[in-house]
Amino acid sequence: SQQGEEDPQALSIQEGENATMNCSYKTSINNLQWYRQNSGRGLVHLILIRSNEREKHSGRLRVTLDTSKKSSSLLITASRAADTASYFCATDGYQGAQKLVFGQGTRLTINP
Amino acid sequence: GAGVSQSPSNKVTEKGKDVELRCDPISGHTALYWYRQSLGQGLEFLIYFQGNSAPDKSGLPSDRFSAERTGGSVSTLTIQRTQQEDSAVYLCASSLGRAKLFFGSGTQLSVL
Repeated sequence: SQQGEEDPQALSIQEGENATMNCSYKTSINNLQWYRQNSGRGLVHLILIRSNEREKHSGRLRVTLDTSKKSSSLLITASRAADTASYFCATDGYQGAQKLVFGQGTRLTINP
Repeated sequence: GAGVSQSPSNKVTEKGKDVELRCDPISGHTALYWYRQSLGQGLEFLIYFQGNSAPDKSGLPSDRFSAERTGGSVSTLTIQRTQQEDSAVYLCASSLGRAKLFFGSGTQLSVL
């Protein structure tokens, strides 16, 4: 079964607003990563947060990690039409393995 | 090459035929992953290669699926006796150990 689950499944907001997506996972992890996918093909890495970190920033992106709740959030500030994409979280450490397991993703639509 | 290369980009085959999908990872990357993504869905883990360790095959859906990685570089995913439910985008990714993944553009497999 999937290690990570994103919430909501779909999100539609107006350009300029902030978008928040959440990810929950089941077991202990070494790190959690967020990826973006445009047009159903290759994914692009956005940010990696380690299990001993609580918050990380990259440009307009802010990621938080709460290991006690086994959850993470991705915040995109001042959204743009180009941010329209699917966003996935990925975790390792599931069942003690190194492999990265992805969630089902959040489909984000930014309306101009 | 500069990135992960997958071939072919599209493959149409008849039910019952065998197919081979190829992945050329980034030179020097020790880890290589195969994922499958059905339309509008998340990424389903298939198999993970890490250096000279035995591959993690726990995601392969049936014994019709197999993969190999020759010389620690190029990987081939083989699907025997294809079924219509095998239709999906097959994504390959590589990384340096537990670092971020670099994805190829995928192979769209259509089984008629």
